Amino acid sequence: DAKTTQPTSMDCAEGRAANLPCNHSTISGNEYVYWYRQIHSQGPQYIIHGLKNNETNEMASLIITEDRKSSTLILPHATLRDTAVYYCIVRVVRTASKLTFGTGTRLQVTL
Amino acid sequence: SAVISQKPSRDICQRGTSLTIQCQVDSQVTMMFWYRQQPGQSLTLIATANQGSEATYESGFVIDKFPISRPNLTFSTLTVSNMSPEDSSIYLCSVQGEVYEQYFGPGTRLTVT
Repeated sequence: DAKTTQPTSMDCAEGRAANLPCNHSTISGNEYVYWYRQIHSQGPQYIIHGLKNNETNEMASLIITEDRKSSTLILPHATLRDTAVYYCIVRVVRTASKLTFGTGTRLQVTL
Repeated sequence: SAVISQKPSRDICQRGTSLTIQCQVDSQVTMMFWYRQQPGQSLTLIATANQGSEATYESGFVIDKFPISRPNLTFSTLTVSNMSPEDSSIYLCSVQGEVYEQYFGPGTRLTVT
């Protein structure tokens, strides 16, 4: 699976959009981009995933660049409950496909 | 999505003893995964458990230390054997969803003294 690079930490004011970047310059054509988050003392939570098109669900939007070498997770109106570590994971999708977690981005949402 | 529960939620154990962690899913799933999260670290996969076959262990993890059972499609156990303080971690199970996403349990926080 391709390696990803994320900033160690970010801050965001409550109510503003949180834009979390991820670089995956060695991504292969059959690898998807998945985002998870881990709120303190909880298990990771799946957020969203995509291959090459932009995706949106009730939690977030995922913007993938045309060359697929980077992506951005957007939380449109961050709240204090969005404070968490966010993981960008690039992986081939198959039945026994494991997740390889990097260090992620620690997002702190403040008043 | 799947709802996953784990027992116990936390435990404090003495070195040399063993602890069995249970993972229960609210639906039938083929693949279950067990992860470890050491203090201040990210998650590391221990093994993949497929119902009806032996678990597949990742490099650095062995069956004698982390035996896994998978008796049916909704349940699995992970045993941490002959524990040492280095085994103090959060242990999490997960299952795979329809679009190959994974859903995680709340974790079991283990402290070995």
